[in-house]
Amino acid sequence: EVQLLESGGGLVQPGGSLRLSCAASGFTFSTRAMSWVRQAPGKGLEWVSAMRPSGDNTYYADSVKGRFTVSRDNSKNTLYLQMNNLRTEDTAVYYCARDGSFSGVDYFDYWGQGTLVTVSA
Amino acid sequence: DIVMTQSPDSLAVSLGERATINCKSSQNLLYSSNNKNFLAWYQQKARQPPKLLIYWASTRESGVPDRFSGSGSGTDFTLTISSLQAEDVALYYCQQYSSIPYTFGQGTKLEIK
Repeated sequence: EVQLLESGGGLVQPGGSLRLSCAASGFTFSTRAMSWVRQAPGKGLEWVSAMRPSGDNTYYADSVKGRFTVSRDNSKNTLYLQMNNLRTEDTAVYYCARDGSFSGVDYFDYWGQGTLVTVSA
Repeated sequence: DIVMTQSPDSLAVSLGERATINCKSSQNLLYSSNNKNFLAWYQQKARQPPKLLIYWASTRESGVPDRFSGSGSGTDFTLTISSLQAEDVALYYCQQYSSIPYTFGQGTKLEIK
């Protein structure tokens, strides 16, 4: 059974940093692209970042480019999101999502339960 | 960026009746090289993560009831629930994966009339 378990969320002040983790199990992690998608309270879905299986290509939304860094450790089956210089508008539930195909970053066939990041003074 | 616009924003349908949600993209999502539309649909129930329903515009994900179907091509797409069940109350989102940044529609709230 595919499982994605996010952790690392919490309350942080504006300008602060957090590192999210997504522990994957139930599939061969090193063969799938992975993404982070967030959802602000009461709002819709926003794709944040993605990384290809080997880690050689990373992609970011303009809203987080230069502040967030995605990485993965295929030996630990874990995806990370390092978030620096956080802003109040980064407050959201952050989901880890698996790519649905082997051909690249496409649709998302499995999602974690999410971890809440709150940026507030 | 490709803008995805869903209509309506909310929808109330009687049990057993058909529900139709539309999604329009600002750019063509059909790739001529493989004749596929890079469009997915998700269902999100309260306090849960999204769940994949449809990909490639019309391919139903394994385990999704066959009352859910996707159609359309190019820039106009539709999610249809043929006979609404109580458990279908949720938010529904379309998503394009044609180009980065991947973008979602604003969501359509489906309720029981």
